[in-house]
Amino acid sequence: NAGVTQTPKFQVLKTGQSMTLQCAQDMNHEYMSWYRQDPGMGLRLIHYSVGAGITDQGEVPNGYNVSRSTTEDFPLRLLSAAPSQTSVYFCASRSRDSAYNEQFFGPGTRLTVL
Amino acid sequence: AQTVTQSQPEMSVQEAETVTLSCTYDTSESNYYLFWYKQPPSRQMILVIRQEAYKQQNATENRFSVNFQKAAKSFSLKISDSQLGDTAMYFCAFMKPISGGSQGNLIFGKGTKLSVKP
Repeated sequence: NAGVTQTPKFQVLKTGQSMTLQCAQDMNHEYMSWYRQDPGMGLRLIHYSVGAGITDQGEVPNGYNVSRSTTEDFPLRLLSAAPSQTSVYFCASRSRDSAYNEQFFGPGTRLTVL
Repeated sequence: AQTVTQSQPEMSVQEAETVTLSCTYDTSESNYYLFWYKQPPSRQMILVIRQEAYKQQNATENRFSVNFQKAAKSFSLKISDSQLGDTAMYFCAFMKPISGGSQGNLIFGKGTKLSVKP
């Protein structure tokens, strides 16, 4: 199993550009989520999904869109990038029925918006 | 709303010594889960240890153990025999059980940067 994969690993954008951060998992997990990590702020939840076709907002959803058309994929879209979105982005997944409730994290994407 | 507080932004310890990282949280729930995650310079988030609130026994994983004080809402991590590879950011996280309206989202503290010195 590859676990949770994220592409790209690094990205530089100009203000106003759009892009999609990709996330995929091969563990058949129902739950997937996106976090952003900023210095001194820990990880904050952007959006999450409890299954295909179901998404909801987290703590910091503004400026981001998500959709979940398959169990495996959960892309995060920035429609018009802003410097405030410079951050490290993590995707995570978890089995809804796991007795251990462990979330598995991808390797992260470092995004810089100029 | 739940909050998680890590009051030590940075700590250092000598190799082979013991260090304790602090975490407090605020919740009105009686059942929940607590986690410590390690983030080395590689950036990968690695689960170190977990604790279920309904279990009184403190969790242990090899050199890592927790001191869970439910009444005080405290969840500290003790690292024994510190190794150079323990150098990392450590995040404390809280999760409500997956039931009712909860989807089991993680709430993180701001992290403690631990440096292990040779």
